[in-house]
Amino acid sequence: QVQLQESGPGLVKPSETLSLTCTVSGGSINRGGYFWTWIRQLSGRGLEWIGDNDYSDIRNYNPSLKSRVDISVDTSKSQFSLKLKSVTAADTAVYYCARRTYFGSGRYDPNKYYIDYWGQGALVTVSS
Amino acid sequence: EIVLTQSPGTLSLSPGERATLSCKTSQSVGSSYLAWFQQKPGQAPRLLIYGASTRATGIPDRFSGSGSGTDFTLTISRLEPDDFAVYYCQQSGSSPLTFGGGTRVEI
Repeated sequence: QVQLQESGPGLVKPSETLSLTCTVSGGSINRGGYFWTWIRQLSGRGLEWIGDNDYSDIRNYNPSLKSRVDISVDTSKSQFSLKLKSVTAADTAVYYCARRTYFGSGRYDPNKYYIDYWGQGALVTVSS
Repeated sequence: EIVLTQSPGTLSLSPGERATLSCKTSQSVGSSYLAWFQQKPGQAPRLLIYGASTRATGIPDRFSGSGSGTDFTLTISRLEPDDFAVYYCQQSGSSPLTFGGGTRVEI
């Protein structure tokens, strides 16, 4: 059974960089068919996709955050990481790491990746 | 980006009743680029349906998904106490991936 676990500071000061790491166990991070994903939940309800990266460093980012985000994968440690620069109070949220898995068959369809595993979530508060 | 609008915001039902949840997208997401998730308090969302109508592993058959284009539906045929939660739809047909605002199913 694949498990994902977020780790990192729960409190970040405004204008600083939010850094979180997700450790993957029970499955390989070093293979195709997956995107390693970060999603956040604002105000307990709204879910926002931040972006993702696969093991070969193909990156996809939400345009609304792209200028501030970096998602990297470390296959040697079975981890992937999120860095979000220049944070403000609006970045306060529960941050989830997740896996998007390819569920297609036959001809490759890049739209057929679906989020099938999630971490438990990490609350990050931006405050001085 | 594609906006997903879920309705109703809250659905008040009793165990054994049928729940019908709607998800409308601002642009077509094709016939199958839609997923449904269930979230309980303090937990991460759980994948219920992908490809608009395929149940994920371990999901009971009282959950079913349908629809295409811009109109999608999640149906829970007979509500069980464990089903009272918030449900989200999510599209993967266009980047950025986006989620609906959720429907709360309450007793």
